[in-house]
Amino acid sequence: GAVVSQHPSRVICKSGTSVKIECRSLDFQATTMFWYRQFPKQSLMLMATSNEGSKATYEQGVEKDKFLINHASLTLSTLTVTSAHPEDSSFYICSAHHRGLEKLFFGSGTQLSVL
Amino acid sequence: GNSVTQMEGPVTLSEEAFLTINCTYTATGYPSLFWYVQYPGEGLQLLLKATKADDKGSNKGFEATYRKETTSFHLEKGSVQVSDSAVYFCALRETSYDKVIFGPGTSLSVIP
Repeated sequence: GAVVSQHPSRVICKSGTSVKIECRSLDFQATTMFWYRQFPKQSLMLMATSNEGSKATYEQGVEKDKFLINHASLTLSTLTVTSAHPEDSSFYICSAHHRGLEKLFFGSGTQLSVL
Repeated sequence: GNSVTQMEGPVTLSEEAFLTINCTYTATGYPSLFWYVQYPGEGLQLLLKATKADDKGSNKGFEATYRKETTSFHLEKGSVQVSDSAVYFCALRETSYDKVIFGPGTSLSVIP
């Protein structure tokens, strides 16, 4: 079946550094990918919609300069958390839209801890 | 705007008990409705879906019926197992390419 690979699964970084998270659709092309953030015991909050070859669409309240999204190919979207701070510590999950199956497939998530 | 509300957890049940997790939604138009499940340490998986009113989605013994009149999509299972312990998210999607909006999630623990 369709698989979405998200890497890394866990990252610890120092405050002020940048962290890149990759989301790959392994056996299908995804023109649209979504990035979510999940706080402990809370729901997934959509951060942005990533469209291949164009700028990402950010949800209200999400800083586009802080959370850089690049969707340069039909199988890869990246989320870069720039100048990370402890309040950015969270679980980040990507999902990719499989057009043929009309389904969303989710990555296994990345736990970011900023010290 | 569109939103999803579901019953707060955590829910603790004994094995073979009946499960109901309530979900209601607010949306313009006619959304597709979903239940996703997140097992411990894993990513989200689609459990079932319904795309129009009165549709019933079912999978692994779980069922949910799209009720337009009550704007609800309650999840049910007749006999839960320990392996059903997970967090369950109700969600909606307005169009095929639109974002998925999730409810807050309900944690289920099934004890032997």
